[in-house]
Amino acid sequence: DVKVTQSSRYLVKRTGEKVFLECVQDMDHENMFWYRQDPGLGLRLIYFSYDVKMKEKGDIPEGYSVSREKKERFSLILESASTNQTSMYLCASSFLVGGEQYFGPGTRLTVT
Amino acid sequence: QKEVEQDPGPLSVPEGAIVSLNCTYSNSAFQYFMWYRQYSRKGPELLMYTYSSGNKEDGRFTAQVDKSSKYISLFIRDSQPSDSATYLCAMSAKTGNTPLVFGKGTRLSVIA
Repeated sequence: DVKVTQSSRYLVKRTGEKVFLECVQDMDHENMFWYRQDPGLGLRLIYFSYDVKMKEKGDIPEGYSVSREKKERFSLILESASTNQTSMYLCASSFLVGGEQYFGPGTRLTVT
Repeated sequence: QKEVEQDPGPLSVPEGAIVSLNCTYSNSAFQYFMWYRQYSRKGPELLMYTYSSGNKEDGRFTAQVDKSSKYISLFIRDSQPSDSATYLCAMSAKTGNTPLVFGKGTRLSVIA
């Protein structure tokens, strides 16, 4: 079974803090993705990575950065958290960029 | 026009009913179609995937693709309260470097 894990299920941070969300997959997948999910807006792609140290912007990259130093690990960084970044953050991985994705359990981030 | 359209619901049905969930899409290059199920406060889990047109059955679930109409469906037979979840469709051209495009999801409630 594909396993994607995320570092925290719930996180509360203050405005202006730097926030790190980590994701690890154990299936040797080339591709990893970060989404945020908000009511009524569905899943929105923030960034994805198709190889170590490679990244592509998704639909809403502003205010976020990513890091992929190892194949199995993909980090999402909020440089200076703001209240409008309060959301559910989901990580996923896949063998092919356009192939089926396997999701982690999500991190519910609240920025106060 | 959005690439993938999905009625958000909510859809409420009695236990035992046949449920039909649908998505329409505009990109004729899409050839790889998926359905995900997402329980409240969890990550999406891959339910079924199909390639090109036709039907695919897995237990109580049937996925149907009509490429000529750019329309995909998920049927759930003998629906159970445990089927209550949000169902997301997703699709891609698979070749190339374009990630999945997701519908916004349909919320389903099966009432005992």
